[in-house]
Amino acid sequence: DTGVSQNPRHKITKRGQNVTFRCDPISEHNRLYWYRQTLGQGPEFLTYFQNEAQLEKSRLLSDRFSAERPKGSFSTLEIQRTEQGDSAMYLCASSQDSLSYEQYFGPGTRLTVT
Amino acid sequence: SQKIEQNSEALNIQEGKTATLTCNYTNYSPAYLQWYRQDPGRGPVFLLLIRENEKEKRKERLKVTFDTTLKQSLFHITASQPADSATYLCALVSRMNTGFQKLVFGTGTRLLVSP
Repeated sequence: DTGVSQNPRHKITKRGQNVTFRCDPISEHNRLYWYRQTLGQGPEFLTYFQNEAQLEKSRLLSDRFSAERPKGSFSTLEIQRTEQGDSAMYLCASSQDSLSYEQYFGPGTRLTVT
Repeated sequence: SQKIEQNSEALNIQEGKTATLTCNYTNYSPAYLQWYRQDPGRGPVFLLLIRENEKEKRKERLKVTFDTTLKQSLFHITASQPADSATYLCALVSRMNTGFQKLVFGTGTRLLVSP
């Protein structure tokens, strides 16, 4: 399967714990995006990488959130000191460096903070 | 304020009919508009992109129109099938001050096609 993959698919954690999610984009895609989606809403943009450089961060991304993309390949999204409001689906997408803006999404990681 | 509005109520239609979904936006000047399909528990899947200078785009049973005067896009599925049942999201390409162009999604409309 050469699509975008995300791990884990589901994560249940207690409030205050740290969690880390991983995204493996399509191999030839140099753009990578993270989104958050809550029930009944569309995905909300969190952050964007072009290769290893994080070029854009949403104001939604508090200081507890950090994302990395070492060597421009896979990416990780870490949430520190999780809060119940962090419960959501975290989606990763990738795209080619072109003008089509078509993004390929992974299956998402569903986070539940208890 | 900027808004992208899609009908939050589910659209129920019979198999074989044409489904029409609406996306309205305010305070955006998008160069592109996209439609995605999302099944429960899965990530969105890209369907179609239409540029601001295009009135209509087709792909198999799908048709998208884009009216920048009305600030509206319509998404049509002809000869609908139960397998078309899903949530359909519209997304605008919004240019940031930094030059980065991000996707801004609507809330989606759930389509239910009954046999």
